[in-house]
This record gives sequence, C-alpha cells and structure tokens, in this order.
Amino acid sequence: DVKVTQSSRYLVKRTGEKVFLECVQDMDHENMFWYRQDPGLGLRLIYFSYDVKMKEKGDIPEGYSVSREKKERFSLILESASTNQTSMYLCASNSGGGYTFGSGTRLTVV
Amino acid sequence: ILNVEQSPQSLHVQEGDSTNFTCSFPSSNFYALHWYRWETAKSPEALFVMTLNGDEKKKGRISATLNTKEGYSYLYIKGSQPEDSATYLCAFPIIGSARQLTFGSGTQLTVLP
Repeated sequence: DVKVTQSSRYLVKRTGEKVFLECVQDMDHENMFWYRQDPGLGLRLIYFSYDVKMKEKGDIPEGYSVSREKKERFSLILESASTNQTSMYLCASNSGGGYTFGSGTRLTVV
Repeated sequence: ILNVEQSPQSLHVQEGDSTNFTCSFPSSNFYALHWYRWETAKSPEALFVMTLNGDEKKKGRISATLNTKEGYSYLYIKGSQPEDSATYLCAFPIIGSARQLTFGSGTQLTVLP
C-alpha cells in the first residue's frame, strides 16, 4: 500500500523552539508539498519541491524553511516556533495529477 | 493564483437525508477538478478526478457532476450515514502547472444519527 508518512500525529512545542516536521513517501514521486490547514481557510501551501535539493515558496512561507536532501523525504522546519503556527500540517506528494496525503501533524505551540 | 470556492462551509444533516454541496472555479483554462474526502485523524482520500464537461462520476452513494462552462461541480451524497461525516475538499490545478493543486476551503459535513 503506497504511503506518505508524517513522523508525528501530535506535537506540543514551546514558543521559540526549533521544530522539525518530517514527511517520507515510498512512491518515488518527484513532487512534494507542505500545507497547513486552519478553520475556514482551507489548505494553504507553505513550500513545495519538484526535485531533490530544490524548493519553492508557496503562499505562506514566512517563518518556515524546508529541506529535501533525498527524493523520498521532505522536511518542514519552524526556525523559531510561534503561537500563530499552531495548526494542522499536511504533507502530500505526486508525479503530476492528484495528491497522496499524509495523515497530518497537529502542532500546538504554547 | 486561482480562486476555488466551496459552499457551504459546514453542514449538518440527519442520517438518511440526501445532501449536496458546491465547488466553484474559474471556467477558463479548465484542466481537471479533484474531489477529496478528509475524515478526522485520517489522510485526505481521493474521491474523483473530473476532466470533461458534463462528466458524472459515482462511488457508492457519492456522486459528482461537472460543468466546466459555468465553472462549478456538485458533490451529492444519497442517504447520508454517520460515516460520511468528513470535510470534503475540491482542488484545481494551478495554471501552467500540472503538478500543483489549489484547494477550496472545504465543506465540513456532519451526519447526525
């Protein structure tokens, strides 16, 4: 069964901490995406990557960075977590067309 | 950036009721429309990919229609069950990119037993 796996289902972090959210896919997809979902706002794109070591800013990149050292892994980094980054984070991948999603990480920053 | 809009934002129905909701998108440069179902604590799951004007697709009690000329798609659920409770998302490819989707804000459906 093909999968996109996010390392944590729930995370609680303190303001100012550096936070890593990991995403791994086993489908050999070129493209990987990080979204956040907030009530009433839908899925908003943070960063995406079309290839190893490649990254592009999405609609709301401020306060985030990413890393893609290997094709199967796409990491989202919160350099200094803030309370307004409390959200549900979703990773997705594709090779064109529809996405396969991870199950999400609910991050709370206190 | 495309504007994909969904309505209503949330919906409560009784078990056994049929229901429908709407996804609106720009009608120019249509390529495809995706529907996803996102249940709590699970990954969003692909329901349909719709590409042709007038398309109608069906999966069990769920069906979807597409009107590319006027820029809308309807999702119908016949005889709603509590397990249909989820957020239903539609998504549209970014113009010039076959790889990236832009999403509507979703319709959150709650089916009351």
